[in-house]
Amino acid sequence: QKEVEQNSGPLSVPEGAIASLNCTYSDRGSQSFFWYRQYSGKSPELIMFIYSNGDKEDGRFTAQLNKASQYVSLLIRDSQPSDSATYLCAVKRPGGYQKVTFGIGTKLQVIP
Amino acid sequence: ETGVTQSPTHLIKTRGQQVTLRCSSQSGHNTVSWYQQALGQGPQFIFQYYREEENGRGNFPPRFSGLQFPNYSSELNVNALELDDSALYLCASSFGRNTGELFFGEGSRLTVL
Repeated sequence: QKEVEQNSGPLSVPEGAIASLNCTYSDRGSQSFFWYRQYSGKSPELIMFIYSNGDKEDGRFTAQLNKASQYVSLLIRDSQPSDSATYLCAVKRPGGYQKVTFGIGTKLQVIP
Repeated sequence: ETGVTQSPTHLIKTRGQQVTLRCSSQSGHNTVSWYQQALGQGPQFIFQYYREEENGRGNFPPRFSGLQFPNYSSELNVNALELDDSALYLCASSFGRNTGELFFGEGSRLTVL
């Protein structure tokens, strides 16, 4: 079982729709959860982090965390073609050092 | 504010050679970690440097080594290159050792022939 599971996609949504990206993780000791966006040929960029159960909103982005179900999601409202990228879910145990465990990423395509 | 810079951006080596990749951390950041991203995969943690010492390592063999300098810049060295070492090598800087909030450079793409 992979530590962080994501569907590789592609997930295609029409412009203006809500894109829903999902992720599950296996390590119950994980305490910090992240979404990174990676455009083709570029490096990952941190777009959201969440530490507590529930929802966290930032502009058009909402991260959701359910530790009991070991489930993290990212909603993108009013999707734009510029949102087309690979979205990497990542988790981290507390303490120690910056070992962040990434999933393989879900490729999102927003169709104009 | 200066971001994370890496060099070289692309390089080609042959199996058995050695390579050194360099990274300058973002201004104000004291921790550098290195990740390897193979094609179609997520980044994998190699190791982290804080106060010029390695203080965390992922599942990579000893032929992957590094350094951090007093100005927080860092090097990644890989000896005895193998074909599977072909990947994008990402340097990430952060303030603090364990926040998980990583700021990546643009990466060094290594091809091993």
